Amino acid sequence: AQSVTQPDIHITVSEGASLELRCNYSYGATPYLFWYVQSPGQGLQLLLKYFSGDTLVQGIKGFEAEFKRSQSSFNLRKPSVHWSDAAEYFCAVGEGNAGNMLTFGGGTRLMVKP
Amino acid sequence: DAGVIQSPRHEVTEMGQEVTLRCKPISGHDYLFWYRQTMMRGLELLIYFNNNVPIDDSGMPEDRFSAKMPNASFSTLKIQPSEPRDSAVYFCASSKGGKRNTGELFFGEGSRLTVL
Repeated sequence: AQSVTQPDIHITVSEGASLELRCNYSYGATPYLFWYVQSPGQGLQLLLKYFSGDTLVQGIKGFEAEFKRSQSSFNLRKPSVHWSDAAEYFCAVGEGNAGNMLTFGGGTRLMVKP
Repeated sequence: DAGVIQSPRHEVTEMGQEVTLRCKPISGHDYLFWYRQTMMRGLELLIYFNNNVPIDDSGMPEDRFSAKMPNASFSTLKIQPSEPRDSAVYFCASSKGGKRNTGELFFGEGSRLTVL
């Protein structure tokens, strides 16, 4: 069965600092990988996704993520964090061919200090 | 285009009462998903539909939970009778399938349920 682990429940960074959120997955085949962001009281919004090809993918709001098969990881990065990035971030893995059924990690809550 | 629309946004009810949550997916989407989000268990897939047919309901916690999709533009998630442990945020999401598949789920804003 597929699973996703986000080791960091909470992360606090200063505005302008760089950010890396960790994600490790377990999946038998080539995974479809996603990062979603959830602002308070809102639904989840897609930041970026990886299906195949270039292992470094660019997303919205200046985020990027790198797929590393050898490490079963798909870490999310941003070079300079803005206060508006404070939210909860979810990594997810999907089968791609099964109606996009996704398994989500537990989430990482990001707080940004001024 | 309108996104996924859920109602009600907030529901407070007493234990034992019936609760019905509603969802209107994005027009043209073939798949509809119901997720539940709690602090303890995170995001859990409850059930999903393809072309209005339930495909996998293994995530539905108990017989108290039921979901229907009578047509392509409407789905309900019903809890009867409700219990305090059902308190959570329930999300509906939809997506395209087949050759139009982009892999992305589009989420509604959720229905926050509190059972007293």
